[in-house]
Order: sequence, then C-alpha cells, then structure tokens
Amino acid sequence: AQRVTQPEKLLSVFKGAPVELKCNYSYSGSPELFWYVQYSRQRLQLLLRHISRESIKGFTADLNKGETSFHLKKPFAQEEDSAMYYCALRGGAGTALIFGKGTTLSVSS
Amino acid sequence: KAGVTQTPRYLIKTRGQQVTLSCSPISGHRSVSWYQQTPGQGLQFLFEYFSETQRNKGNFPGRFSGRQFSNSRSEMNVSTLELGDSALYLCASSLGGGEKLFFGSGTQLSVL
Repeated sequence: AQRVTQPEKLLSVFKGAPVELKCNYSYSGSPELFWYVQYSRQRLQLLLRHISRESIKGFTADLNKGETSFHLKKPFAQEEDSAMYYCALRGGAGTALIFGKGTTLSVSS
Repeated sequence: KAGVTQTPRYLIKTRGQQVTLSCSPISGHRSVSWYQQTPGQGLQFLFEYFSETQRNKGNFPGRFSGRQFSNSRSEMNVSTLELGDSALYLCASSLGGGEKLFFGSGTQLSVL
C-alpha cells in the first residue's frame, strides 16, 4: 500500500535559518513524489516534483530511494514561506495522488 | 483560462441529510479527483474520475459517491450525513496522465 508520512505537524524557524521539511514514503515500486503548498487564503498548488529536479522559490527536494525519503529543503527561510506543506506520492500514471497529513511551516523574524 | 470552480462555497446540513457538491474542471482536463481535508487527517483521497469512469477510489464508506459528466464536470454526493463528515472538500483537475493537479477553493461542509 502507498503511504506518505510527514512526522512534523508544525515546524517553527527564524527568518534566515535553514529549513528541512521531512517526508517519508512507503511504496514497493518507483514512485513519483511531489510537494504541494497552501499559503494562507490561497489554493493548494504544486511546489515541485522530483522528476523535474528543479528549485522553486529556493526550495529543493531529493528523492532518496534507499531511505524512502523526499525531504524539502531551503537554506535560508523567508517569512513568505510560512504555509502548509504537503508531500504527495503517485504510484504510476493513472493512479491516485496520495498526500501526507501536512506540515505547517512558520517563519518568524 | 478559468481555474477549477467548486460550488457551493459553504454548506450547512444536519445529520441524516444528503448533500451534493459540484466541481467544474479546467477546460480540457479530463480527470477530476476529490479530497477531504481536515485539520487532523490532512488530505484524504476520496475518488478520481477520468472520462466519466471512476478510475481510482479511496477508503471511504459507500455513503460517499461521485460521478462525472461528458463535459468533465463532476459531482460528489454524501448520503446520511454524520458529524464526522464536516470538512473542506477539495476537487482537483488534471489532463489525466500523471501531471500536476490544479485545485479548487473547496466546499466547506458543516454537519450539525
């Protein structure tokens, strides 16, 4: 069965500090991994996906198949990064996108 | 291009009633997925429709059902409402091939 675990419900950091939002997954095949973000009073939207290997708003995420992890990182947090972050997994084309429970990131000055 | 539209924005119902939620996807999108969002459980997958057929289904009771029309618009129905059904119901559309989902603003359902 597919499962996505985000162990932290809330992560509070100061502006300029590094950020790492953890995501672990359970899936027997080769998954597609995503990070979605929901800013206050905005719609849930895609932040990045592992196959793109790109950096969006300074965030990066590397798929580690050995540790079955897809942690989201940013070297220097900004106050505008405060939001709810969801890690998501898709087992293959045509299968459902399954989300973790989310982590609230709070960046204060 | 218009985004995903969900109606109504808010609903208040009482236990035992039934409710229908509507979702209009982005033009050209053939897949519509439904999720239940609550503070404690996050986003839980309900079901996905693709070209009028249910393609995937989550672990929700049969009280939760849906359908998709030929114009890709989708409806979700919940019968015999329970207090625990109070949640934000999100709909998301995509082309259907595994690319990113585009989410609507959701329908906030309160069951009293």
